[in-house]
Amino acid sequence: SAVISQKPSRDICQRGTSLTIQCQVDSQVTMMFWYRQQPGQSLTLIATANQGSEATYESGFVIDKFPISRPNLTFSTLTVSNMSPEDSSIYLCSVKTGGNSPLHFGNGTRLTVT
Amino acid sequence: QKEVEQDPGPLSVPEGAIVSLNCTYSNSAFQYFMWYRQYSRKGPELLMYTYSSGNKEDGRFTAQVDKSSKYISLFIRDSQPSDSATYLCAMSLIQGAQKLVFGQGTRLTINP
Repeated sequence: SAVISQKPSRDICQRGTSLTIQCQVDSQVTMMFWYRQQPGQSLTLIATANQGSEATYESGFVIDKFPISRPNLTFSTLTVSNMSPEDSSIYLCSVKTGGNSPLHFGNGTRLTVT
Repeated sequence: QKEVEQDPGPLSVPEGAIVSLNCTYSNSAFQYFMWYRQYSRKGPELLMYTYSSGNKEDGRFTAQVDKSSKYISLFIRDSQPSDSATYLCAMSLIQGAQKLVFGQGTRLTINP
């Protein structure tokens, strides 16, 4: 399976600032996704990162708040903009290596907003 | 009502016990069912993947799906301290679906 590296692994940020999270995969993958894991909550899909085009966002998530880039088949970034304490969460990059392959996850970025 | 319900625990059992983890769901259209294991400070890793009703066994792990009851289970035999983790159920409508619906996760501790 693909090796997924996320940076940073954790951060503490002040409200009103923005944080960009990077996801690097060791091989080309067909699909990359960003999930959020809030304390005591289920993993929730934020968006699908599309290579060379705008990301596809799930209901409740908007591009202005969570801009996403995917310049190639091995790299993506998620920015959490104008952060508030409610954005404190684990943000997970995930990938699929083929059409019917299962989802694989990175180790996540643990974000605390004060 | 959540689409997938999972008791968050925590669940604590002695080493060697049989562990039963469960999820219920409301959407009868779900066809594919997964269990992920998530160690502390790590991302979820796929443990078991099953299609429709029935049992699937992999070593000490057995995944069971009862679509008539909309109920899935994961059994761990001869539990080990290394099994201590959070277990998340997930399900999808189609094979290889990019969007999975996850349960909340059950935090499990195996005591030596």
